[in-house]
Amino acid sequence: DAGVIQSPRHEVTEMGQEVTLRCKPISGHDYLFWYRQTMMRGLELLIYFNNNVPIDDSGMPEDRFSAKMPNASFSTLKIQPSEPRDSAVYFCASSLWGRGGNQPQHFGDGTRLSIL
Amino acid sequence: DAKTTQPNSMESNEEEPVHLPCNHSTISGTDYIHWYRQLPSQGPEYVIHGLTSNVNNRMASLAIAEDRKSSTLILHRATLRDAAVYYCIERASGTYKYIFGTGTRLKVLA
Repeated sequence: DAGVIQSPRHEVTEMGQEVTLRCKPISGHDYLFWYRQTMMRGLELLIYFNNNVPIDDSGMPEDRFSAKMPNASFSTLKIQPSEPRDSAVYFCASSLWGRGGNQPQHFGDGTRLSIL
Repeated sequence: DAKTTQPNSMESNEEEPVHLPCNHSTISGTDYIHWYRQLPSQGPEYVIHGLTSNVNNRMASLAIAEDRKSSTLILHRATLRDAAVYYCIERASGTYKYIFGTGTRLKVLA
């Protein structure tokens, strides 16, 4: 079975440009998560969706970040305008629902974003 | 927020068992303890999870203390491919929000 698929794997762009990261979760999964990983802050949850509906976006750093999930098989994370401090590895993960949180999250390989 | 405590780093010799400890004193009675690992340049990978009883799978074993305030991930025979950062995670109460700590960087010596 295909895992979580993220694109692009690498993105290099100039400050001020719009960046769109894409994610295809595992088919049938109810939850989708976006994380950001940096050396300074480690792995942080940005936002998560349940059945395509955003549930908790308290980790989104500021209004320049937005995430959408138009259907069960696709999600985007957009940064507009981008800034050098947004440089990080962005991971998407998906999981099934499980009582007490007993279902694991499956992560993609990440998008390495560099803002010059 | 839910928070776990792990040693920053550990070393093990190849082919020997490794015991990775984790303290999770704030865990609620119904939340599972999850362990993930992250190999270099990859996304985190699920290892094992448990609630109260000790658990075994093909990758590892999980020993959970009776009071559930701590657990230990056991790799029975460490290999060079097990060198990674290991995260012990509890879920923020009432949400699906996982809080990743700094994890334990495991170094396996040949």
